[in-house]
Amino acid sequence: QKEVEQNSGPLSVPEGAIASLNCTYSDRGSQSFFWYRQYSGKSPELIMFIYSNGDKEDGRFTAQLNKASQYVSLLIRDSQPSDSATYLCARSGGYQKVTFGTGTKLQVIP
Amino acid sequence: DAGITQSPRYKITETGRQVTLMCHQTWSHSYMFWYRQDLGHGLRLIYYSAAADITDKGEVPDGYVVSRSKTENFPLTLESATRSQTSVYFCASSERTGQSLEYEQYFGPGTRLTVT
Repeated sequence: QKEVEQNSGPLSVPEGAIASLNCTYSDRGSQSFFWYRQYSGKSPELIMFIYSNGDKEDGRFTAQLNKASQYVSLLIRDSQPSDSATYLCARSGGYQKVTFGTGTKLQVIP
Repeated sequence: DAGITQSPRYKITETGRQVTLMCHQTWSHSYMFWYRQDLGHGLRLIYYSAAADITDKGEVPDGYVVSRSKTENFPLTLESATRSQTSVYFCASSERTGQSLEYEQYFGPGTRLTVT
């Protein structure tokens, strides 16, 4: 079982809709998680991190962490075509080492 | 604010040759990382460094060598390149976030390496 698992997609949503991206992890001791966005041919950029159960909101983005069920999600409200990218879920390990999922490709259809 | 840079951005080399990928950051971040990104595997950690002269292996270190004599530089060397090392290589540096004990990682633009 991979440490961090994501559905590769693509996930297609119409413009203006809510995009829901999910990630599961295997290590129950995991404390913190990151969401990165990666445009095609570009490097990953950090958009959210979450380290406690519940929701964390930042603009149109909401990260949700459920440690009991071992999943992390990212909601993008009012999706825009510019949100079309691959979203990487990452788990923070010891010594600042981060384990990444393989990413979910999001397509926002105008 | 240059941030983190990588050179070269594109490289084609032949099997068996030695090649060095350069990474430079201007933030004085203590931690630096090298990842490779391949379809179906995502980002995998090759090596990381906690400070100058302190390095450690990641998930896929075989065939790679790193050094860190200065805080701002973290070169990655492929001693004898193989076709399986064809990949996109990302360097990253990290610093603690203002809200927790966690470290945010900032990525360079990447180097696309092809081994023929």
